[in-house]
Order: sequence, then C-alpha cells, then structure tokens
Amino acid sequence: GENVEQHPSTLSVQEGDSAVIKCTYSDSASNYFPWYKQELGKRPQLIIDIRSNVGEKKDQRIAVTLNKTAKHFSLHITETQPEDSAVYFCPMLWGSGNTGKLIFGQGTTLQVKP
Amino acid sequence: EAQVTQNPRYLITVTGKKLTVTCSQNMNHEYMSWYRQDPGLGLRQIYYSMNVEVTDKGDVPEGYKVSRKEKRNFPLILESPSPNQTSLYFCASSRVGGPYEQYFGPGTRLTVT
Repeated sequence: GENVEQHPSTLSVQEGDSAVIKCTYSDSASNYFPWYKQELGKRPQLIIDIRSNVGEKKDQRIAVTLNKTAKHFSLHITETQPEDSAVYFCPMLWGSGNTGKLIFGQGTTLQVKP
Repeated sequence: EAQVTQNPRYLITVTGKKLTVTCSQNMNHEYMSWYRQDPGLGLRQIYYSMNVEVTDKGDVPEGYKVSRKEKRNFPLILESPSPNQTSLYFCASSRVGGPYEQYFGPGTRLTVT
C-alpha cells in the first residue's frame, strides 16, 4: 500500500547550520507534498507545501524540493535557530486527493543546539 | 477565528468507564479525522469522515467509535477504555478536494488507569 518514509528519524544540528530532512513516497500518482511542524506540546501545523508541477518552493529560511523521478522530496532549513527544534512530518495525500486524507509517518525530531 | 476545538484537553479515567472526546470545527470542512500520537510512533489515524454520515476506519480503529451527525462535529467515543488507549489524541479537519491543509485541534491527553 501507499506509505511514506522519512530520514533521518532524529537530527541534531548546531544553531546556524543547515538541516535537511528527506521524505520518500511510494505512490507515483502523488501530486501534493506538504511538511508539518509540531513543536513540543503543540499541535502539528502546515509550514510549507508543494505541488508536483513545481520543483522547488521557498519561504524565508525553509524550502521544499521535489524529485518526482526518484519519488522523494526534502525539507531544507537554513540558518537554524533553537525555535526550529520540533518534530517534522511529511504526510502523503491518499489516493487522488478527492478525500482529503493524509497519511502521516513517524516524523523526524530536529534538535537545534544553541 | 477559524479553529478546531477539542474537549476535554486532559482526562484521567479508569478502565471500562465510557468516555467521549468532542471535536468541533467552524470552517465548514467536509473532512475530519482522529489521530493518536504515541512516543516514537508518529501520528496514527483512528477514524476519518469525508462528510456527514460517512465514516471510515483508519489504521488503528480497534476500541474506538465515531459519529458524524453534523458537519461541524466529530466525537470520538471509547466505550470501554483500556490502559493501552492512554495517548495524546488530535482531531483535524480539511476540505475534500483541496486545499489539503489539515487544521488540528489542541490535543487531548488521555490517561486510563
């Protein structure tokens, strides 16, 4: 069945360094690729998303890149700050999107050391 | 303000005592979903609903029930809670057909002793 895998499961970086989280998906028909951030004790929230007709999208210090051929997309965070410490999820849109259902994985825990 | 609300936020109960966690959204979203979050296991879907009177099982539906009698409400029912249902529960909603952003409630931390 459809699934999504994230790597690494945990990531620790020094403040100011860059962080990259990679997400691999199985459904070649996928056309929507979001990233959610969940800070400790908070709810998950969408931080950036991309459609399959776009290869890259940036929003200040975060960017998402898509490689449809290899079926993976990545979250890039530059100049990391302690407030970037959180769990990041890359859920997969199930089916053709006409249900709204997202399948979440285990997430990646990012720790930014001051 | 567009939001998803859940009640209660915290609940400690005993094995076998029926409970209901309410979820309500004010964005006229068709899609609603319940997840549970446990350490190291990410977000696992319990049940979801694509519209009124339409519900379907997620990945971990055992021990839970839901109903969708109104578009804005999607309560989660535990008929006979057990300690393995101790978890953090999130309700979420979104539009069917896009945009696909899911809005999450604040979470309900449930402890079953």
